[in-house]
Amino acid sequence: NAGVTQTPKFQVLKTGQSMTLQCAQDMNHEYMSWYRQDPGMGLRLIHYSVGAGITDQGEVPNGYNVSRSTTEDFPLRLLSAAPSQTSVYFCASRDWTGVSYEQYFGPGTRLTVT
Amino acid sequence: KQEVTQIPAALSVPEGENLVLNCSFTDSAIYNLQWFRQDPGKGLTSLLLIQSSQREQTSGRLNASLDKSSGRSTLYIAASQPGDSATYLCAVTEGAQKLVFGQGTRLTINP
Repeated sequence: NAGVTQTPKFQVLKTGQSMTLQCAQDMNHEYMSWYRQDPGMGLRLIHYSVGAGITDQGEVPNGYNVSRSTTEDFPLRLLSAAPSQTSVYFCASRDWTGVSYEQYFGPGTRLTVT
Repeated sequence: KQEVTQIPAALSVPEGENLVLNCSFTDSAIYNLQWFRQDPGKGLTSLLLIQSSQREQTSGRLNASLDKSSGRSTLYIAASQPGDSATYLCAVTEGAQKLVFGQGTRLTINP
């Protein structure tokens, strides 16, 4: 298994541009999520999905859209990039072990908005 | 609102020492607690997961404990090595949907 993969690894955008961060997992996990990591703020949940066709907002959803058309893919769209969205973005999927949940993270996308 | 705190924010110790990292949380109604390791510029790697009904979990030189009633967890690293240098994050799962992270402890092991 490749686990959770993210593309691109690095991206620089100008204010106002849009882009999509890609996330895919090959573990057949129903639950996927997006986090952003900022210095001094820890990781914060942006959006999550409990299965294909079902998404919901997390703690910091403004400025981001998601969709889940397949179990494998969960892209994150920035509609109009702002400098405040400069961050490292992590995608995660979650497995039910039979007694508990365990999270698996992708390698991250480093985004800079100028 | 659940808050997770990790102390200290940074720790530097000589190689070979045993050490303890601390994690506290404000709401004891958690589903589980997970310890992660993050290397610079990399993603998160799960180290240990403790269910709310468990008291501890062990993996190699790592031992994590959980005291849900007091809202505390510790990660014990035995015989530290330079390769253990990384940032260690703890996170609690609330209900069935949300991970709440601490800000991490940056650990440096000096040869």
